[in-house]
Amino acid sequence: EPEVTQTPSHQVTQMGQEVILRCVPISNHLYFYWYRQILGQKVEFLVSFYNNEISEKSEIFDDQFSVERPDGSNFTLKIRSTKLEDSAMYFCASSDPGLFRDGYTFGSGTRLTVV
Amino acid sequence: QQQVKQSPQSLIVQKGGISIINCAYENTAFDYFPWYQQFPGKGPALLIAIRPDVSEKKEGRFTISFNKSAKQFSLHIMDSQPGDSATYFCAARTRQGAQKLVFGQGTRLTINP
Repeated sequence: EPEVTQTPSHQVTQMGQEVILRCVPISNHLYFYWYRQILGQKVEFLVSFYNNEISEKSEIFDDQFSVERPDGSNFTLKIRSTKLEDSAMYFCASSDPGLFRDGYTFGSGTRLTVV
Repeated sequence: QQQVKQSPQSLIVQKGGISIINCAYENTAFDYFPWYQQFPGKGPALLIAIRPDVSEKKEGRFTISFNKSAKQFSLHIMDSQPGDSATYFCAARTRQGAQKLVFGQGTRLTINP
């Protein structure tokens, strides 16, 4: 079964440093997403990406965040200057609007720890 | 209006019992309601989903009941097993625009053997 692959699985970084989280979405999917889950809390939408541009972003997704699809397979989330409160699990997801039930797949996540 | 409210926050059920988790929403533009199962350290995995044009959907031991007029939906896990112990999230999505998912707060389910 096709998977969304995320790397690294765990990233530790110092406050103020830049981090790049990487994702390989399912190849024939058209929408790409990043979600965040602070420990013990619900999963929150960050941003969606379609047709090589951001289609929607939440209030969490401020100027410190950016996304990019640098080639035909990778989808990245960059946090320019990390803060302690950015510590969370970050999930990449992709979807195919043509598939109703099975169109939305999450990766296993990257645990970001900011120290 | 974008919120999905989920209850209870935690639930303990004996093996073989029925686990019931409830969700409510306000936005009538939502037209797809999935339930996700999440194990520690893993991403959410789709468990079962329903559209608002049906009132119930069953897949094995898992059933979604949907009440469109009340804007509520629930997950029932029949014959609950210790392997069902996980966090369960309800969610809602619109078919328009970015089709982002709005998640409930999650329910930590523990099945006692």
